[in-house]
Amino acid sequence: EVQLVESGGGLVQPGRSLKLSCAASGFTFSNYYMAWVRQAPKKGLEWVATISTSGSRTYYPDSVKGRFTISRDNAKSSLYLQMNSLKSEDTATYYCARHRGYPGYYFDYWGQGVMVTVSS
Amino acid sequence: DIQMTQSPASLSASLGETVSIECLASEGISNSLAWYQQKPGKSPQLLIYGASSLQDGVPSRFSGSGSGTQYSLKISGMQPEDEGVYYCQQGYKYPLTFGSGTKLEIK
Repeated sequence: EVQLVESGGGLVQPGRSLKLSCAASGFTFSNYYMAWVRQAPKKGLEWVATISTSGSRTYYPDSVKGRFTISRDNAKSSLYLQMNSLKSEDTATYYCARHRGYPGYYFDYWGQGVMVTVSS
Repeated sequence: DIQMTQSPASLSASLGETVSIECLASEGISNSLAWYQQKPGKSPQLLIYGASSLQDGVPSRFSGSGSGTQYSLKISGMQPEDEGVYYCQQGYKYPLTFGSGTKLEIK
C-alpha cells in the first residue's frame, strides 16, 4: 500500500524558515517524480514544487521560486521541502504527492497533509 | 502560465442525477488534463487523467471528455459519497495549474 506521511509543519514567524519532510513507503520511491502541493485555508489547490527521480531537475511556480527548495533522499525514501523567507500567504496545508507514471504530470497518491502557519 | 477556469463554482444534484462540470484552459493542452475529488478534511483523490482515462479503483460512473481547451467531468448517477469539491488540473506544461474548484452537494 502506497503511503506518504508528511511532518515538520507548525507555526513560524514571517521571514523565518521551515523544513517539511515526507516519508514514502509501499512503492519504489526512486522511480517516481515527487511533488508538493498546498492548499490555503478554505482555498483551492496550488502546485508548489516537483523533483525528478534523481533529483537533478526541479520545478517551481514563480510564487515560491528562489524561496523554496525541494529535495529527496532515495536511500531513505524521503522527500523534503525547505521553505525560506516565509510569508503570511504561505500559510496552508502542504501535501506530499506522487506523480503518476514517468515522468508524470498528475498526482495519483497524496499524503494526509501538514499545516504550516506563518504569523507573528 | 495556463489558466484553468472551472464552472460552475457550485451545484447541487439529486441522487441518481447526471452531473457535468466544465474546465476551460487558457490555451490548448492536448488532453493533458486530470480531475480530482476532495472530500471535507481529506486529501484530493485522482479520478481521471489524460482527459478521459479512469484511475484505478474509481467508479465507472465518473467519466471525462474534451479536447483542445474545453474539458468536462461527468458523473452518471449522483451518489451520496460523490459530495465534495472537484478540481481540474493541466499537466501540459509547467507551472502545473489547477482550476478553482466546483463544490458539489446533494439536493
